[in-house]
Amino acid sequence: GENVEQHPSTLSVQEGDSAVIKCTYSDSASNYFPWYKQELGKRPQLIIDIRSNVGEKKDQRIAVTLNKTAKHFSLHITETQPEDSAVYFCAASKGGSYIPTFGRGTSLIVHP
Amino acid sequence: DGGITQSPKYLFRKEGQNVTLSCEQNLNHDAMYWYRQDPGQGLRLIYYSQIVNDFQKGDIAEGYSVSREKKESFPLTVTSAQKNPTAFYLCASRLAGDRNEQFFGPGTRLTVL
Repeated sequence: GENVEQHPSTLSVQEGDSAVIKCTYSDSASNYFPWYKQELGKRPQLIIDIRSNVGEKKDQRIAVTLNKTAKHFSLHITETQPEDSAVYFCAASKGGSYIPTFGRGTSLIVHP
Repeated sequence: DGGITQSPKYLFRKEGQNVTLSCEQNLNHDAMYWYRQDPGQGLRLIYYSQIVNDFQKGDIAEGYSVSREKKESFPLTVTSAQKNPTAFYLCASRLAGDRNEQFFGPGTRLTVL
């Protein structure tokens, strides 16, 4: 089955800095890669996703890049703010049935 | 807030007792999922259901059971066979087709004493 590795497990940055979270996947058939943000005590919410037919996608301060050859994808957050502090999860899945495999999560801490 | 609800928010049970966690959605979503979340473990899939009256085991189904008698409801029973049931349980749902986004419920924190 699919295996998703996520690094780092904890990331501490100063407000205004950039943050990068990286994930690798094992199944070359995976073609959909969502990222979820989970604030403390709340439910995970989708923040951005990318499909295998594109290499990069941006939405304001966040972006995701995908390298299919290397089987890795990354989340980039620019100009971080304290409200970006949360746990971020990456996932990989194949189209159709959509049974995503999640990474273990990255706890992002943004210091004011 | 997504139209998917879980109850109760906190649940306490004695060891050896079965307990059922509720998950309801009014989004008309076809697929529903149960995940277990432990610190540092990410989200691990327990069971999922793509359509009514059908469900499949996920990666950690042992000690759990589910039913999907109605499209809106996907209850999870944690049985006494589950060796370490204390965890945070998340339910999710998704519309079939190309829209792949999962919507999560608020979760139930189960503590077995």
